[in-house]
Amino acid sequence: EPEVTQTPSHQVTQMGQEVILRCVPISNHLYFYWYRQILGQKVEFLVSFYNNEISEKSEIFDDQFSVERPDGSNFTLKIRSTKLEDSAMYFCASKPAGAYNEQFFGPGTRLTVL
Amino acid sequence: QKEVEQDPGPLSVPEGAIVSLNCTYSNSAFQYFMWYRQYSRKGPELLMYTYSSGNKEDGRFTAQVDKSSKYISLFIRDSQPSDSATYLCALTRNTGNQFYFGTGTSLTVIP
Repeated sequence: EPEVTQTPSHQVTQMGQEVILRCVPISNHLYFYWYRQILGQKVEFLVSFYNNEISEKSEIFDDQFSVERPDGSNFTLKIRSTKLEDSAMYFCASKPAGAYNEQFFGPGTRLTVL
Repeated sequence: QKEVEQDPGPLSVPEGAIVSLNCTYSNSAFQYFMWYRQYSRKGPELLMYTYSSGNKEDGRFTAQVDKSSKYISLFIRDSQPSDSATYLCALTRNTGNQFYFGTGTSLTVIP
């Protein structure tokens, strides 16, 4: 069964450093998302991406964040200058075209900012 | 007022029990309702998806939506120890839009 994959599974970085989190969505999906989950808290929406552009973003997704689909398979989230409060699990999700509304989530990348 | 409210539990039941998990929401614009299961330090796994008021059944799982009360439920029949996880409700306004998640209810099924 096709699934969303994410790399790395765990990323440790120093405050102020740039990180890139990578995702490979399910191949025939057209909508892509990033969510984050701070330990013990709810899953929070960051951004959605469709037709090579951001379609929706939350207040969390400020100028420090950017997304890119550099080729036909990868979807990346970049954090330019990490802060301690960026430490969280970051989930990528994808959704097929059409009326279906199920988003399928990857296993997540645990980001630890020291 | 939060968009989506969910009792975090924890909920502990004996094997074979019927489990009822619930969420309430405040925004009548929500049209699609999902239930996800999340094991510790893993990604959410889609269990059920519905968009209309009423019941939808899939094996031991039944999703119930009452749009007039802004109340959704997930029932698990004949619960198993393998059902032990955190259950998240997720709501969205329209196809493609962001999901709004509840805080999740932690469930433990005791053998």
